[in-house]
Amino acid sequence: GQQVMQIPQYQHVQEGEDFTTYCNSSTTLSNIQWYKQRPGGHPVFLIQLVKSGEVKKQKRLTFQFGEAKKNSSLHITATQTTDVGTYFCAGSGSARQLTFGSGTQLTVLP
Amino acid sequence: DVKVTQSSRYLVKRTGEKVFLECVQDMDHENMFWYRQDPGLGLRLIYFSYDVKMKEKGDIPEGYSVSREKKERFSLILESASTNQTSMYLCASRRAGGTDTQYFGPGTRLTVL
Repeated sequence: GQQVMQIPQYQHVQEGEDFTTYCNSSTTLSNIQWYKQRPGGHPVFLIQLVKSGEVKKQKRLTFQFGEAKKNSSLHITATQTTDVGTYFCAGSGSARQLTFGSGTQLTVLP
Repeated sequence: DVKVTQSSRYLVKRTGEKVFLECVQDMDHENMFWYRQDPGLGLRLIYFSYDVKMKEKGDIPEGYSVSREKKERFSLILESASTNQTSMYLCASRRAGGTDTQYFGPGTRLTVL
């Protein structure tokens, strides 16, 4: 079945440093979604990418979808303490359900 | 404002008990999902339902069953709880179509002793 690998599992950064998490799928995806889960909270949708090579920005967050539609990344510029949480990618392939990556837990040190 | 609610935030049960986890959404969504979340494993799909009375197995259905008698309600059932089912359980819903965002409930942290 479809698998989505996400790295790193954990990342500690100093406030102001950049952060990137990567997702790689075993199969071509029709779209990829990104979610953020704050400590003690539930996953909340951030964005969806559909097109090959697509790049979307939300303030300090930049999302990319690879040309082959098998990988994606989330980059945060100049992290803030409010960025703390676990970031999940979730890919949708031929089946209609999402397959989630294992998540990257981001800690931002003040 | 969209809302997905789950019957309990925390639940403690004993091995062998039958456990019901309830999920209700008020968005008239056709699709509903049950996941479990464990450290290092992300969210794993247990069961999902594309419409009332319909259900399909996800990646880890063993030891679980589901019920969808009404559109707004999706129940997860542990027929005979075991300690390896101690986990965070998350319910989600979305509109039909397959590409829309999923909206998650607050989660139920289940401990099986």
